[in-house]
Amino acid sequence: DTGVSQDPRHKITKRGQNVTFRCDPISEHNRLYWYRQTLGQGPEFLTYFQNEAQLEKSRLLSDRFSAERPKGSFSTLEIQRTEQGDSAMYLCASTPSGQGSAGANVLTFGAGSRLTVL
Amino acid sequence: AQTVTQSQPEMSVQEAETVTLSCTYDTSESNYYLFWYKQPPSRQMILVIRQEAYKQQNATENRFSVNFQKAAKSFSLKISDSQLGDTAMYFCAFLTFNNDMRFGAGTRLTVKP
Repeated sequence: DTGVSQDPRHKITKRGQNVTFRCDPISEHNRLYWYRQTLGQGPEFLTYFQNEAQLEKSRLLSDRFSAERPKGSFSTLEIQRTEQGDSAMYLCASTPSGQGSAGANVLTFGAGSRLTVL
Repeated sequence: AQTVTQSQPEMSVQEAETVTLSCTYDTSESNYYLFWYKQPPSRQMILVIRQEAYKQQNATENRFSVNFQKAAKSFSLKISDSQLGDTAMYFCAFLTFNNDMRFGAGTRLTVKP
């Protein structure tokens, strides 16, 4: 297993365009998180999935953001009509759930997808 | 709402010395998890140490240890024998009952030779 993979690593787009990021978690991890991180700040929670179910979504997240995890494996994060304020690093992390799971609740992060909106 | 506060935006320490990073949090829950994560420059976030709130004993991992004060809602990280490779952003994080993981704003630690 190569860990959590994110694609693309860097995306440059023009304001108003749509972008989609993909995250492939560690295969046995059934919980998946998305975060946004701006320079010099801590990760800001966006949403998380338990298998294919989206269990929580940040109230800070506008309707332009949507995330899916259709088969409980990989996940996508789509941003519609991008704005310059969306420029950030988008981090994906996964973890096994359940108290008995080794490493339960310890997030393994991907390298992130950096978005630049011009 | 659960919040995590790191009051030290930047810190520095001489190589081989000890440094303590502060973290406070706010929650009404009685059972939760606390973490310290490290993010080296341009590299991925990795776990440093974790603490279950129901455990009174402070967690240790080699040169890293925590001082967990549940009543004070304080969770500081002590790094002993600091090494150049410890230079990174350090984030305190809190896992809520509904699996919502929240992070502090981070402390940038520089280890000087």
